[in-house]
Amino acid sequence: SQQGEEDPQALSIQEGENATMNCSYKTSINNLQWYRQNSGRGLVHLILIRSNEREKHSGRLRVTLDTSKKSSSLLITASRAADTASYFCAPAPQGGKLIFGQGTELSVKP
Amino acid sequence: GAVVSQHPSRVICKSGTSVKIECRSLDFQATTMFWYRQFPKQSLMLMATSNEGSKATYEQGVEKDKFLINHASLTLSTLTVTSAHPEDSSFYICSATGDRGNYGYTFGSGTRLTVV
Repeated sequence: SQQGEEDPQALSIQEGENATMNCSYKTSINNLQWYRQNSGRGLVHLILIRSNEREKHSGRLRVTLDTSKKSSSLLITASRAADTASYFCAPAPQGGKLIFGQGTELSVKP
Repeated sequence: GAVVSQHPSRVICKSGTSVKIECRSLDFQATTMFWYRQFPKQSLMLMATSNEGSKATYEQGVEKDKFLINHASLTLSTLTVTSAHPEDSSFYICSATGDRGNYGYTFGSGTRLTVV
C-alpha cells in the first residue's frame, strides 16, 4: 500500500473557474482513484484511471495519469459552489488497501 | 452502483461503555472491508483490514482489543469500540471491496462517535 500526496493543500476559486489538483505517489500502481469528501460525510468515488490509461473524463472531471512521473491530476471545469469539498487521491496496488494523504481542500465561492 | 450502508450515523455514549458500528454492502459481496478513523481537519487513517471469515489485520498503533472487528459474512462487518473514552471520539468510516477489488472502493457515509 502507499499514500498519495495531494497538492495544493487548499485551493480557493470563484464559481465558473477551473480547479486543478495534483497527486504524487511513490511506487507502481494498478490504478489510481480520486474521491471527494464533503465536510463530516463519507467519501464519494469520483473516477478511477488504470495504469495503462493516460487520461479519463467524467462529466466536468478530467483526470490524467503519468506513470513515468508517478503523478496524476484532477481538473474540475466550470466549478460550482457545490464542488466545495476535500479531494483525495488513492493510488492502488492490485487488491491493496487505500491509504489517503491530507487531501486538497477546495473552496468555490459563488 | 455499489452501495455500502453504515449505521449509526451518529452516536453519543458514556465513557466506559462499548459502541458497535455496522457496515453492510447492499448489492455486492464484500470480501474485504476497511475501517478508517478521521479526526477533525485530518485525513482518513486506516485502522484495519478485514477479510470475510478471517481475523482482521490491524495497522500499527491500533489496539485490536479495543477496536474489535468482525467480518462474519460477505455483506456485514462490524467495528466495536470497547470501553470507549473521550479520546476515541472521532469519525469512523468503512469501505468495502469485493469482486470490484480492481475498481473503485465503496465507502459508507461514516459514523460520528462522541464519548462523553
